[in-house]
Amino acid sequence: DIQMTQSPSSLSASVGDRVTITCRASQSISIYLNWYQHKPGKAPKLLIYAASSLHSRVPSRFSGSGSETEFTLTISSLQPEDFATYYCQQSYSTPSFGGGTKVEIK
Amino acid sequence: EVQLVESGGGLVQPGGSLRLSCAVSGITLSNSWMSWVRQAPGKGLEWVANIKQDGSEKYYVDSVKGRFIISRDNANYSLYLQMNSLRADDTAVYYCARDSPRSMSAPFDYWGQGTLVTVSS
Repeated sequence: DIQMTQSPSSLSASVGDRVTITCRASQSISIYLNWYQHKPGKAPKLLIYAASSLHSRVPSRFSGSGSETEFTLTISSLQPEDFATYYCQQSYSTPSFGGGTKVEIK
Repeated sequence: EVQLVESGGGLVQPGGSLRLSCAVSGITLSNSWMSWVRQAPGKGLEWVANIKQDGSEKYYVDSVKGRFIISRDNANYSLYLQMNSLRADDTAVYYCARDSPRSMSAPFDYWGQGTLVTVSS
């Protein structure tokens, strides 16, 4: 099974900050990597698919990069509605998620 | 508008069974793999199972193999999860989700709102 490790597990940031979250795979997964935003009591939302493609209606301040085993999600200018937990997910083999990164208000 | 609506959650005793349903509308169900994903209290997302468009292939996370069965009825736009021999660590919100056929990375592009399963005596 492929293990996904996210870092940090949580971070505090201010509105307007640039935020970067890292996701590492236990083996090469090419670009079979997706990112989600999840808020309490809501359904998770797809942000980025295939490592760097922006899902429809997702603001352009979100971007993804990486390949093989190391990936990043960047929020270029954090907005109030972006405070949430973010997950990476690999689909190279049977799906698995990273442990999540909680983005909190500083 | 695409809608995925889960139902069937509730309180069940350890060792008991429960069947979750997911009613799908707004997409052609027969075009897509479908998955169940769960989130235990205070924990992260965990993929549970998925099923191929025609039901011929099914995959499960190790912790539910032999206890859970995923199935689908494309004609009735429904996805199911039969959960047997339930344990306390199966307590979670269960989401159904579509594996998008539009990308090689098959992201989960549509999700339901979730149904809570609580396993407790």
